[in-house]
Amino acid sequence: DTAVSQTPKYLVTQMGNDKSIKCEQNLGHDTMYWYKQDSKKFLKIMFSYNNKELIINETVPNRFSPKSPDKAHLNLHINSLELGDSAVYFCASSQGPGGAGYGYTFGSGTRLTVV
Amino acid sequence: DAKTTQPTSMDCAEGRAANLPCNHSTISGNEYVYWYRQIHSQGPQYIIHGLKNNETNEMASLIITEDRKSSTLILPHATLRDTAVYYCIVRGLTTDSWGKLQFGAGTQVVVTP
Repeated sequence: DTAVSQTPKYLVTQMGNDKSIKCEQNLGHDTMYWYKQDSKKFLKIMFSYNNKELIINETVPNRFSPKSPDKAHLNLHINSLELGDSAVYFCASSQGPGGAGYGYTFGSGTRLTVV
Repeated sequence: DAKTTQPTSMDCAEGRAANLPCNHSTISGNEYVYWYRQIHSQGPQYIIHGLKNNETNEMASLIITEDRKSSTLILPHATLRDTAVYYCIVRGLTTDSWGKLQFGAGTQVVVTP
Protein backbone atom coordinates (compact mmCIF):
# COMPACT_ATOMS: atom_id res chain seq x y z
CA ASP A 1 0.00 0.00 0.00
CA THR A 2 1.35 3.35 -1.04
CA ALA A 3 1.48 5.73 1.92
CA VAL A 4 1.53 9.02 -0.02
CA SER A 5 0.45 8.78 -3.61
CA GLN A 6 0.56 11.49 -6.24
CA THR A 7 -1.02 11.60 -9.65
CA PRO A 8 0.05 12.01 -12.33
CA LYS A 9 3.67 10.94 -12.12
CA TYR A 10 4.55 12.84 -15.28
CA LEU A 11 2.83 15.86 -16.74
CA VAL A 12 3.82 17.60 -19.97
CA THR A 13 1.78 20.63 -20.93
CA GLN A 14 1.96 23.84 -22.89
CA MET A 15 2.48 27.31 -21.51
CA GLY A 16 -0.72 29.00 -20.47
CA ASN A 17 -2.58 25.83 -19.62
CA ASP A 18 -4.15 25.05 -16.25
CA LYS A 19 -3.30 21.76 -14.57
CA SER A 20 -3.84 19.95 -11.29
CA ILE A 21 -1.78 17.47 -9.30
CA LYS A 22 -3.50 15.25 -6.78
CA CYS A 23 -2.16 13.82 -3.55
CA GLU A 24 -3.62 11.31 -1.15
CA GLN A 25 -2.21 9.80 2.03
CA ASN A 26 -3.49 6.73 3.87
CA LEU A 27 -1.37 7.17 6.98
CA GLY A 28 -3.98 8.97 9.04
CA HIS A 29 -1.76 12.05 9.21
CA ASP A 30 -3.39 15.39 9.73
CA THR A 31 -0.80 17.62 8.06
CA MET A 32 0.09 17.65 4.38
CA TYR A 33 2.58 19.64 2.32
CA TRP A 34 3.63 20.55 -1.17
CA TYR A 35 7.33 20.89 -1.95
CA LYS A 36 8.97 21.94 -5.19
CA GLN A 37 12.32 20.61 -6.41
CA ASP A 38 13.80 22.72 -9.16
CA SER A 39 16.44 21.88 -11.73
CA LYS A 40 19.19 22.58 -9.21
CA LYS A 41 17.68 19.90 -6.98
CA PHE A 42 16.82 22.22 -4.10
CA LEU A 43 13.63 21.26 -2.26
CA LYS A 44 11.47 24.14 -1.08
CA ILE A 45 8.27 24.19 0.91
CA MET A 46 5.31 25.72 -0.88
CA PHE A 47 2.23 25.04 1.20
CA SER A 48 1.10 23.17 4.26
CA TYR A 49 -2.35 22.22 5.48
CA ASN A 50 -3.22 21.00 8.96
CA ASN A 51 -6.66 19.45 9.27
CA LYS A 52 -7.75 21.19 6.06
CA GLU A 53 -6.52 24.57 7.30
CA LEU A 54 -3.74 26.39 5.46
CA ILE A 55 -0.84 26.98 7.87
CA ILE A 56 2.08 27.64 5.55
CA ASN A 57 1.98 29.67 2.38
CA GLU A 58 5.46 30.53 1.22
CA THR A 59 6.13 33.18 -1.41
CA VAL A 60 4.44 31.28 -4.18
CA PRO A 61 2.73 33.00 -7.15
CA ASN A 62 -1.03 33.31 -6.91
CA ARG A 63 -1.28 31.01 -9.91
CA PHE A 64 -0.66 28.16 -7.49
CA SER A 65 -3.67 27.25 -5.38
CA PRO A 66 -3.76 24.31 -3.01
CA LYS A 67 -7.02 22.70 -1.99
CA SER A 68 -7.63 20.22 0.80
CA PRO A 69 -11.10 18.64 0.62
CA ASP A 70 -10.28 16.50 3.65
CA LYS A 71 -7.21 15.78 5.69
CA ALA A 72 -6.25 12.80 3.55
CA HIS A 73 -6.09 14.81 0.33
CA LEU A 74 -4.16 17.86 -0.78
CA ASN A 75 -4.37 18.91 -4.40
CA LEU A 76 -2.35 21.55 -6.22
CA HIS A 77 -3.89 23.55 -9.03
CA ILE A 78 -1.71 25.69 -11.25
CA ASN A 79 -3.12 28.34 -13.56
CA SER A 80 -1.48 29.87 -16.61
CA LEU A 81 1.54 27.59 -16.51
CA GLU A 82 4.93 29.14 -17.27
CA LEU A 83 8.22 27.61 -18.36
CA GLY A 84 9.68 28.31 -14.93
CA ASP A 85 7.07 26.09 -13.30
CA SER A 86 8.85 23.06 -14.71
CA ALA A 87 10.03 21.07 -11.71
CA VAL A 88 9.31 18.00 -9.64
CA TYR A 89 6.52 18.56 -7.13
CA PHE A 90 6.45 16.42 -4.00
CA CYS A 91 3.56 15.91 -1.68
CA ALA A 92 4.29 14.94 1.92
CA SER A 93 2.43 14.29 5.13
CA SER A 94 3.23 14.18 8.83
CA GLN A 95 1.57 13.50 12.15
CA GLY A 96 1.02 17.05 13.26
CA PRO A 97 2.52 20.19 11.70
CA GLY A 98 5.77 19.71 13.56
CA GLY A 99 6.14 16.12 12.56
CA ALA A 100 7.95 15.57 15.82
CA GLY A 101 9.13 12.08 16.42
CA TYR A 102 7.85 10.71 13.16
CA GLY A 103 9.39 12.63 10.33
CA TYR A 104 7.65 13.38 7.10
CA THR A 105 6.53 10.84 4.50
CA PHE A 106 6.98 11.98 0.93
CA GLY A 107 5.30 10.87 -2.24
CA SER A 108 7.29 9.82 -5.29
CA GLY A 109 6.84 13.16 -7.02
CA THR A 110 5.18 14.61 -10.11
CA ARG A 111 7.53 15.75 -12.84
CA LEU A 112 5.95 18.75 -14.52
CA THR A 113 7.35 19.91 -17.83
CA VAL A 114 6.01 23.08 -19.39
CA VAL A 115 6.80 23.49 -23.09
CA ASP B 1 16.19 27.40 11.89
CA ALA B 2 19.94 26.94 12.02
CA LYS B 3 21.95 26.39 8.87
CA THR B 4 23.85 23.20 8.16
CA THR B 5 27.06 22.48 6.25
CA GLN B 6 27.72 19.13 4.61
CA PRO B 7 30.37 17.87 2.20
CA THR B 8 29.22 17.93 -1.39
CA SER B 9 29.97 14.30 -2.04
CA MET B 10 31.59 11.19 -0.66
CA ASP B 11 32.25 7.66 -1.77
CA CYS B 12 31.87 4.55 0.30
CA ALA B 13 32.76 0.91 -0.34
CA GLU B 14 29.95 -1.58 -0.17
CA GLY B 15 29.84 -3.35 3.18
CA ARG B 16 31.77 -0.63 4.96
CA ALA B 17 30.39 1.93 7.35
CA ALA B 18 29.54 5.30 5.85
CA ASN B 19 30.08 8.27 8.16
CA LEU B 20 28.35 11.43 6.99
CA PRO B 21 29.31 14.62 8.81
CA CYS B 22 27.18 17.69 9.32
CA ASN B 23 28.07 21.01 10.94
CA HIS B 24 25.38 23.08 12.61
CA SER B 25 27.33 25.50 14.78
CA THR B 26 24.41 27.92 15.27
CA ILE B 27 21.96 25.30 16.51
CA SER B 28 19.84 26.43 19.42
CA GLY B 29 18.76 24.43 22.43
CA ASN B 30 15.32 23.47 21.16
CA GLU B 31 16.33 22.51 17.65
CA TYR B 32 16.48 18.92 16.49
CA VAL B 33 18.82 17.39 13.94
CA TYR B 34 17.01 15.47 11.21
CA TRP B 35 18.44 13.31 8.45
CA TYR B 36 16.66 12.49 5.21
CA ARG B 37 17.87 10.92 2.03
CA GLN B 38 16.70 11.07 -1.56
CA ILE B 39 17.39 8.20 -3.87
CA HIS B 40 17.40 9.16 -7.52
CA SER B 41 13.91 9.85 -8.92
CA GLN B 42 12.24 9.20 -5.56
CA GLY B 43 10.86 11.39 -2.82
CA PRO B 44 12.94 12.16 0.28
CA GLN B 45 12.92 9.47 2.93
CA TYR B 46 13.11 10.11 6.66
CA ILE B 47 16.09 8.36 8.29
CA ILE B 48 16.51 9.50 11.87
CA HIS B 49 16.46 12.51 14.15
CA GLY B 50 17.79 13.51 17.56
CA LEU B 51 18.11 16.35 20.05
CA LYS B 52 21.04 15.65 22.36
CA ASN B 53 21.49 11.94 22.79
CA ASN B 54 22.81 9.54 20.21
CA GLU B 55 20.07 7.69 18.42
CA THR B 56 19.90 4.39 16.55
CA ASN B 57 17.23 2.77 14.47
CA GLU B 58 17.07 0.04 11.87
CA MET B 59 18.47 2.32 9.19
CA ALA B 60 21.25 4.28 10.83
CA SER B 61 22.85 5.78 13.91
CA LEU B 62 23.06 9.46 14.73
CA ILE B 63 25.94 10.74 16.81
CA ILE B 64 25.58 14.30 18.13
CA THR B 65 28.55 16.02 19.74
CA GLU B 66 28.22 17.18 23.30
CA ASP B 67 28.16 20.85 22.27
CA ARG B 68 25.62 19.91 19.56
CA LYS B 69 27.51 21.91 16.95
CA SER B 70 27.97 18.92 14.71
CA SER B 71 26.65 15.43 14.12
CA THR B 72 27.45 12.31 12.14
CA LEU B 73 25.07 9.95 10.43
CA ILE B 74 26.40 6.41 10.33
CA LEU B 75 25.19 3.82 7.87
CA PRO B 76 26.73 0.72 9.48
CA HIS B 77 26.99 -1.51 6.41
CA ALA B 78 26.51 0.47 3.24
CA THR B 79 24.85 -1.24 0.31
CA LEU B 80 24.48 -0.14 -3.29
CA ARG B 81 20.89 0.84 -2.49
CA ASP B 82 22.19 3.46 -0.05
CA THR B 83 23.47 5.56 -2.96
CA ALA B 84 21.52 8.79 -2.54
CA VAL B 85 21.69 12.44 -1.55
CA TYR B 86 21.69 12.73 2.23
CA TYR B 87 20.28 15.85 3.85
CA CYS B 88 21.06 17.09 7.34
CA ILE B 89 18.36 19.47 8.57
CA VAL B 90 18.11 21.42 11.80
CA ARG B 91 14.64 22.40 12.85
CA GLY B 92 12.86 23.61 15.91
CA LEU B 93 9.42 22.49 16.91
CA THR B 94 7.97 25.89 17.61
CA THR B 95 5.07 27.17 15.57
CA ASP B 96 7.47 29.31 13.54
CA SER B 97 9.10 26.17 12.19
CA TRP B 98 6.02 24.08 11.72
CA GLY B 99 6.16 22.19 8.49
CA LYS B 100 9.23 23.93 7.21
CA LEU B 101 11.85 21.37 6.46
CA GLN B 102 14.60 23.48 4.91
CA PHE B 103 16.59 21.27 2.59
CA GLY B 104 20.13 22.29 1.65
CA ALA B 105 22.27 20.81 -1.09
CA GLY B 106 23.02 17.65 0.89
CA THR B 107 25.82 15.11 0.42
CA GLN B 108 25.81 12.89 -2.64
CA VAL B 109 26.87 9.47 -1.37
CA VAL B 110 27.96 6.89 -3.90
CA VAL B 111 28.39 3.34 -2.68
CA THR B 112 30.70 1.35 -4.90
CA PRO B 113 31.08 -2.44 -5.20
